[in-house]
Amino acid sequence: QVQLQESGPGLVKPSGTLSLTCAVSGGSISSSNWWSWVRQPPGKGLEWIGEIYHSGSTNYNPSLKSRVTISVDKSKNQFSLKLSSVTAADTAVYYCARGIQLWLSRYFDYWGQGTLVTVSS
Amino acid sequence: DIQMTQSPSSLSASVGDRVTITCQASQDISNYLNWYQQKPGKAPKLLIYDASNLETGVPSRFSGSGSGTDFTFTISSLQPEDIATYYCQQYDNLPPITFGGGTKVEIK
Repeated sequence: QVQLQESGPGLVKPSGTLSLTCAVSGGSISSSNWWSWVRQPPGKGLEWIGEIYHSGSTNYNPSLKSRVTISVDKSKNQFSLKLSSVTAADTAVYYCARGIQLWLSRYFDYWGQGTLVTVSS
Repeated sequence: DIQMTQSPSSLSASVGDRVTITCQASQDISNYLNWYQQKPGKAPKLLIYDASNLETGVPSRFSGSGSGTDFTFTISSLQPEDIATYYCQQYDNLPPITFGGGTKVEIK
């Protein structure tokens, strides 16, 4: 059973950098999957931030691309998110998720429990 | 970006009712659409992938249909445990992957 666990500071100052890590257990991050970050502002819907393959290939949401970096650490079986120049609008629950790609199919089958990050001074 | 318009944004139905949610894409996405269920304080859970395929272990009262720009998600007989918010998600021509705005389902 694959499990994902987010970790990182729950409070970030405006203009600072949000940094989160997603630890993967029960499976290898080097498997043929994409590893994504998705966020959800309080009381609102889901927004895909971006994804990474174990090779290091990435895709980012164009709306956040200038501020986002997703990286992978195969030795620790984890991947990370950095979001720079944060504002209150970046306050959200951040989820990591495993993205399955089978031929033309793509879907998120495992998710972390989510971690609330608040941007405030 | 492909925009996903979900409706209604909320609904209230009785136990045993048939519930239908629609999702419209801003352009043709073939069948590249998934449906998720999210209960309060929890992560989303995959229910339907590729528009109509039921994820393993998901009750058969959940179903999906559609292709192109118009999609439907149905709960054939609403149960108390189905109280949640439901999201459609497209993955055609990414990035980005985009979600619908969500439909909150409540018991009448």
